[in-house]
Formats: sequence, C-alpha cells, structure tokens
Amino acid sequence: DIQMTQSPSSLSASVGDRVTITCRASQSISSYLNWYQQKPGKAPKLLIYAASSLQSGVPSRFSGSGSGTDFTLTISSLQPEDFATYYCQQSYSTGGTFGPGTKVDIK
Amino acid sequence: QVQLQESGPGLVKPSETLSLTCTVSGGSISSYYWSWIRQPAGKGLEWIGRIYTSGSTNYNPSLKSRVTMSVDTSKNQFSLKLSSVTAADTAVYYCARERTLAAAGTTLDYWGQGTLVTVSS
Repeated sequence: DIQMTQSPSSLSASVGDRVTITCRASQSISSYLNWYQQKPGKAPKLLIYAASSLQSGVPSRFSGSGSGTDFTLTISSLQPEDFATYYCQQSYSTGGTFGPGTKVDIK
Repeated sequence: QVQLQESGPGLVKPSETLSLTCTVSGGSISSYYWSWIRQPAGKGLEWIGRIYTSGSTNYNPSLKSRVTMSVDTSKNQFSLKLSSVTAADTAVYYCARERTLAAAGTTLDYWGQGTLVTVSS
C-alpha cells in the first residue's frame, strides 16, 4: 500500500501570506497526485490534478509541483476564503490513498 | 454541470446493512468510474471503493468483505451497501465521479454534498 504523509498538519497564516504544504508518498507515484480543499461541512473540492494542473475555475494563486515522492501545494497570496483543510491524494494505485490533511487557519 | 446527490437512511443499527444511493444529474453516468469515500467526524478521507458503468468494481481491502456496489445506468444511479456495521462506520459518506487522466492517473472531480450515517441502536 502507498502511504501519504503531509506536513505540517496545521498552520496559522495571515491574509496575503504565501503558504506551502508538502505531501510525501511512501514510494514513487510519478505525477499521479491530486490536491483537494475542504471547508467545514462541505465536500472536498478538486484544486490540482496530475501534480501541477489547475482544475478549471480554481484561482491561479493555487499551484502544485513535484513528482516521484515529494509534492507541494502553494498558495501565493492567502485569501480569506482559503482557510480550510487541504488533502493530497495519490492515484498511482487503485483506491487512491489520501494524506491526513493540513488545516490552514487564521493567525 | 454534473451534480451528485447521496440518499439513504441517516441512522443504521449495529450489525445491520448501510445502504446509500447516489443520483447523478447534468450528465451521463456512462463511461466513468464512480466512487464512495467516507469521513468520520474530525478525521480524514477514506476511499471505500468504485464501480464502473459496466459493473466492474474495486474495493478497499480493509472493507472488501462487507462492501457491495451496484450501478443502474437507466436511472443514472449507483449504490453502496456496507454490511455488519458498527459504530466505527459512523461517518459522512460521499459519492464522487472519478475521471481518468491521460498518463496521469485519475482524479475525483465531482462530489456529492455528503450524507451523515450514524450507527447506533
């Protein structure tokens, strides 16, 4: 089984900050990595697929990078609506494992 | 715009079977995989399994012995059954569409709003 880890598990940031979240896979997953945003009481929303492709309708302040085992999600300038929990997910193997999540809250 | 809506009982007794249906609107159910994911309160996301419109399935090995999925293309619906439930199965259950990417795996691009299922007597 492919295990996914994320760091940090939580962070506090201010509006306008640059935020970076890291996701690591237990084995190489090429670029088979997705990022989701989840707000309280809502379903996850796809932000980034295939490690670096921006889902239609998602603001350009979100970006993804990485391949192999190490990936990052960057928010270039944090906006009030970006306070949420972010999950990575590998799709290299069937039943893509999710990371444990990173909660971004207001400093 | 594709929309998904989960439906089913919000309360299930221990040892009984949890049954949920996901209705897809705004697009055809054909030629996609359709997934179920769950999330216990305050915890992360767990993939339960998926079904293709042909009826082919893949299940999470940890749940495989208790999970059955089915699809009804005439109604644009797919369903989940989870047997012998315990309190540990209490969670918000989501249905989602899985899109296959060219040489880049898959992604869950449309999700239902989720439905809370509580296992309690």
